[in-house]
Order: sequence, then structure tokens, then C-alpha cells
Amino acid sequence: NAGVMQNPRHLVRRRGQEARLRCSPMKGHSHVYWYRQLPEEGLKFMVYLQKENIIDESGMPKERFSAEFPKEGPSILRIQQVVRGDSAAYFCASSRDGGETQYFGPGTRLLVL
Amino acid sequence: QKEVEQNSGPLSVPEGAIASLNCTYSDRVSQSFFWYRQYSGKSPELIMSIYSNGDKEDGRFTAQLNKASQYVSLLIRDSQPSDSATYLCAVKTINYGGATNKLIFGTGTLLAVQP
Repeated sequence: NAGVMQNPRHLVRRRGQEARLRCSPMKGHSHVYWYRQLPEEGLKFMVYLQKENIIDESGMPKERFSAEFPKEGPSILRIQQVVRGDSAAYFCASSRDGGETQYFGPGTRLLVL
Repeated sequence: QKEVEQNSGPLSVPEGAIASLNCTYSDRVSQSFFWYRQYSGKSPELIMSIYSNGDKEDGRFTAQLNKASQYVSLLIRDSQPSDSATYLCAVKTINYGGATNKLIFGTGTLLAVQP
């Protein structure tokens, strides 16, 4: 199964720690998207990346959050100094090119204690 | 006004009936429309995509799009208990200033199919 892969599936952090979420797109896909789903809320777009480029980060909080998609390796969503409000499911999606359908990974459930 | 609106439900239908899920959107230049199904604790799974006015059928699912009314719906025929999930409507809008492809999601409609 060459679907979108995310790890870890579950991540527990204490307030003030850093969280690193990883996403490997489907084979042949070079476009990656990150979405966040807060409890009892809908999916919210965070950032859209292609290899080595951030295309749209209009949904990213201004502080503590960053994302990258290096030439080699997975895309990484990094949250510094986590707070309880960061507890959510973080989903990565990928597409072959920008105009195509986005396929979602299994998500990372982040819990901040 | 929310960009994409859905009735949160729950929408309860008996097994074998037709389930009708509705979605409205606010941005007239929206171009692509998607229905995703999300089981509790799982990731969204693509059900249908639709790009032009009219109906699009795939098995038991039919998506309907009316751009003039800014309305998109999903019909599920012969509903099964396994169809019980949250159905998310998503819209992709052209960004004239750049090449974004972000999806704007509604909050989803919870469908419960009663055996």
C-alpha cells in the first residue's frame, strides 16, 4: 500500500516541549498539505508545500509553527513550545500535482499535557 | 458567514433509504468540490469529486452541483449501517494571486443509518 504515511500516529508532549510530525506523500506525489482538526471542529488548512518550497502558509499560526518539505525525506510540521490548545489531529494530504485530488494520511493525534 | 456550511446533524435514516447530505458555499469562484467520509477517529476518505454543474454518479453515490445556487449535495442510495460516518464537504477556490490548492472544509454532517 503506497498511501500517505504519517508518523508518529500518537504523540504526547508536555507544555513547552517541541512536537515534530512527519509525512511521506504517496508515491509519485510531490505536493503536500497539512490540515488540523481540533476536537469537535472541522478540518482547517495550515500549509501547502512542494519540494523545497512553501507555496501557501496562510493557515499557519504566526508563531511556534513551521513546516518544510526537503528535497529528500518526508515533510515535517514542527510545533515549538507546545500549549494545551495545540492538542488536535494533524492530517497530511498529498496530490500528484496542484490541481488534483488530495489523499489523506492516517493523521497524528497530538496530546499536550 | 462560514465559507462552507453543512448541517451538523445527526441525520438519521433507516437502512435501505436514500440519505441526502447538503452543503452550501460562499465564494462564487469556487471551482472544485469534494465529498469526504470520515469515520470516528479515522482520516478523511475521498468519496466523490465534482467540477461542473449537474449530477455525477458512482455506484450508490451521486453528487449534485448547482453553481448558480452555490449548492452541492451528496445522495447515498440503499444506505447501509456501514455508511454511518461524518461526511465532509470541501471546496477548492481559485486564488488569483498565486497557486494555492487549499481545501476549505465544512464542519461535516453526521449520518446514522439505522438497521
